[in-house]
Amino acid sequence: EVQLLESGGGLVQPGGSLRLSCAASGFTFSNYAMSWVRQAPGKGLEWVSYISGSDDTTYHADSVKGRFALSRDISRDTVNLQMNSLRAEDTAVYYCAKNKGALWDDAFDIWGQGTMVTVSS
Amino acid sequence: DIVMTQSPDSLAVSLGERATINCKSSQSVLYSSNYKSYLSWYQQKPGQPPKLLIYWASTRESGVPDRFSGSGSGTDFTLTISSLQAEDVAVYYCQQYYSTPITFGQGTRLEIK
Repeated sequence: EVQLLESGGGLVQPGGSLRLSCAASGFTFSNYAMSWVRQAPGKGLEWVSYISGSDDTTYHADSVKGRFALSRDISRDTVNLQMNSLRAEDTAVYYCAKNKGALWDDAFDIWGQGTMVTVSS
Repeated sequence: DIVMTQSPDSLAVSLGERATINCKSSQSVLYSSNYKSYLSWYQQKPGQPPKLLIYWASTRESGVPDRFSGSGSGTDFTLTISSLQAEDVAVYYCQQYYSTPITFGQGTRLEIK
């Protein structure tokens, strides 16, 4: 079964850091791009970051550029989102999503259940 | 950035009737070299992650019931549910993946009348 499982969410103070992980199973992880999408409480979907399935190229939304970094560990079929300098507006459920292809220009066909990140003092 | 605007924001339809949701992009998401519109539709039920319904504007994802269909090209798109079922109550989002940043519409809440 194709599956994505996020972990690492929690409560963090403004200015703090968190590292989210997404463990993939049921497909050849290295062949596909991966993305993170977040959803603030009661709000819509916001794309956050992307990593290529071919050359580890990354893209980030302007709202997180310079604060978030994305990497993938092929040996563990895991993608990691390092979030630094967190702000209250980063509070959201963070979803890991698999792209249908190796590059960013494709739909997201598999989603994890999400992990909640709360930034508050 | 490409802005995606959905209409209406909410919709109430009787069981068995047709539901139509519109999505308009601020610029064309049609790639001229392959004639594909880089537009997808997702369904999100309460407490669940989004689920892919339609990609390339009109291609139904595997396992999605055929009462769901997508149409449109360029800047104007439509998601149609031909005969509404109780399990279709959800929020529906369109998304463009023509250019980064990838952007979503604000969502349309679909309820039973």
